[in-house]
Amino acid sequence: DQQVKQNSPSLSVQEGRISILNCDYTNSMFDYFLWYKKYPAEGPTFLISISSIKDKNEDGRFTVFLNKSAKHLSLHIVPSQPGDSAVYFCARSGTSYDKVIFGPGTSLSVIP
Amino acid sequence: EAGVAQSPRYKIIEKRQSVAFWCNPISGHATLYWYQQILGQGPKLLIQFQNNGVVDDSQLPKDRFSAERLKGVDSTLKIQPAKLEDSAVYLCASSLIGTGFSPLHFGNGTRLTVT
Repeated sequence: DQQVKQNSPSLSVQEGRISILNCDYTNSMFDYFLWYKKYPAEGPTFLISISSIKDKNEDGRFTVFLNKSAKHLSLHIVPSQPGDSAVYFCARSGTSYDKVIFGPGTSLSVIP
Repeated sequence: EAGVAQSPRYKIIEKRQSVAFWCNPISGHATLYWYQQILGQGPKLLIQFQNNGVVDDSQLPKDRFSAERLKGVDSTLKIQPAKLEDSAVYLCASSLIGTGFSPLHFGNGTRLTVT
């Protein structure tokens, strides 16, 4: 079973505060974990990734944390902005030719 | 660079009819994917091509869905006959190489409604 779970379908955060989006996985045989962002009527766009050999990766306002013992990763957005309002998908991928598996997504609303 | 192009953007058909979607990946991207996204769910991989060859089609309903990639570039996805449960957004994506490290670039999708 190679499921990726996002147990919170939605999240509301005040502008300027931190947004934390969570993701759990059930299979440890992954090389990379990915976050994609999706606006309505558009395709998902790649946001940030983390290798399974790391526990943190940062890119500007976005930081992803990986806790391998708990099989959990999270995306932190600081500070949150109204333009961050979108659906965020957690995904996992393995090595060559391995398919990318997406979670069900979390809809983030950043309130001005 | 130009992004992944998909057409049409929207399609409404009746059940048992057929429909085809077209995708033109980013130039030079060897790997092409078709995903199905049902409302409220994450994208689900239907088929993955590496150049002309199929890498993974384990979740493609082969009794009604078919896909081909012409000369390792453009791709078409066909549904025949369509069912009500095929209503979804069909996303095409491409990547430089077939590894997890190369991010997928998605088109804007085709929204299919089957009535």
